[in-house]
Amino acid sequence: GAVVSQHPSWVICKSGTSVKIECRSLDFQATTMFWYRQFPKQSLMLMATSNEGSKATYEQGVEKDKFLINHASLTLSTLTVTSAHPEDSSFYICSAGVHQSNQPQHFGDGTRLSIL
Amino acid sequence: AQKVTQAQTEISVVEKEDVTLDCVYETRDTTYYLFWYKQPPSGELVFLIRRNSFDEQNEISGRYSWNFQKSTSSFNFTITASQVVDSAVYFCALSEAGDYKLSFGAGTTVTVRA
Repeated sequence: GAVVSQHPSWVICKSGTSVKIECRSLDFQATTMFWYRQFPKQSLMLMATSNEGSKATYEQGVEKDKFLINHASLTLSTLTVTSAHPEDSSFYICSAGVHQSNQPQHFGDGTRLSIL
Repeated sequence: AQKVTQAQTEISVVEKEDVTLDCVYETRDTTYYLFWYKQPPSGELVFLIRRNSFDEQNEISGRYSWNFQKSTSSFNFTITASQVVDSAVYFCALSEAGDYKLSFGAGTTVTVRA
């Protein structure tokens, strides 16, 4: 089956640091990638939709200047948490798919981000 | 507005018991997809099933079965003869036609005790 690789799986850094998370589709070309955030014991909340070659579409309440998304190729999207603070600590998970392909999205294994 | 409702927050059962997870959804679209995902403690999302709105046939896959009823907007999931490895959070999700985004329910934590 299709594989989506997310890296790093776990990161701890100091407050004020910017952190980049990568999401790669390994065996297919993903026209669309999604970024979700999940707080402990809560559901996944969509942050943004990323289409290859165009600007990401952010959900209401998500700061686009805080969470920079780049989808420069059909196999790679990156989420950069800029000037991270403890409240940004969360589980971030990406998914990738081909819009209108009649195929479900494929999820990465997630990144646990801890800001000290 | 909440599109997917999973009313059960936590369910605890003893091994070999059956467990049914409820999912009620809300959409105005006639074409949509419903999903179930499993999230074990390690965190990754494991895809279990996708059902489109025009296919109301129930499905069975091993110990898993799903009951889709459009009349009640429900897509319930049953684990038969539960095992400890079934312990996880289970999410129901909805994708509306043309959108491709997933709206997740709050999740149901299933704990299976030996």
